[in-house]
Amino acid sequence: AQSVAQPEDQVNVAEGNPLTVKCTYSVSGNPYLFWYVQYPNRGLQFLLKYITGDNLVKGSYGFEAEFNKSQTSFHLKKPSALVSDSALYFCAVRDASGTYKYIFGTGTRLKVLA
Amino acid sequence: NAGVTQTPKFQVLKTGQSMTLQCAQDMNHEYMSWYRQDPGMGLRLIHYSVGAGITDQGEVPNGYNVSRSTTEDFPLRLLSAAPSQTSVYFCASKKEGSNEQYFGPGTRLTVT
Repeated sequence: AQSVAQPEDQVNVAEGNPLTVKCTYSVSGNPYLFWYVQYPNRGLQFLLKYITGDNLVKGSYGFEAEFNKSQTSFHLKKPSALVSDSALYFCAVRDASGTYKYIFGTGTRLKVLA
Repeated sequence: NAGVTQTPKFQVLKTGQSMTLQCAQDMNHEYMSWYRQDPGMGLRLIHYSVGAGITDQGEVPNGYNVSRSTTEDFPLRLLSAAPSQTSVYFCASKKEGSNEQYFGPGTRLTVT
């Protein structure tokens, strides 16, 4: 069965510092991996995805994520955090075998302090 | 394009009442899905559809029905609401062959 774990409920980081939001996954085949962001009282917005190819993927708003197959991880990163990055971040996985079921993690609240 | 729209934005029901949450998209997306978001649980898939006339169950389908008579609409029906169905409900859609889902703004449902 597919699963996604986001081990941190909240991450605090100072503005200008690098940030990392962690995600690990479990799928039976090759994974399709995603990061979404949710601002207060809004729906989720797509940030980036890993399907195949380069392990470092770049996405919206300066975010990037690194796929690590041996550690089954897909951590979200940004070199320099902004206060406006404060939001709820979700990692998601889809089994590449053909199922349309996307499994989301429990979310990590990122708080960037001025 | 309006994208994915959901109505109503807020709803309060009494236990045992029924209602339908509406979801529509104007992007001609084949895939549509319903999720519920609960604190500490993230988003959980309720039902999904890969095209008109085709629906399937997700992780937490009990207590919910769906149908997909058109490409644009994917309503979610609660036949007999229970307090455990208090949640925020999100509808999402995506194009066949794409992996990016587009989410609606959500419906906050309270069952008393």
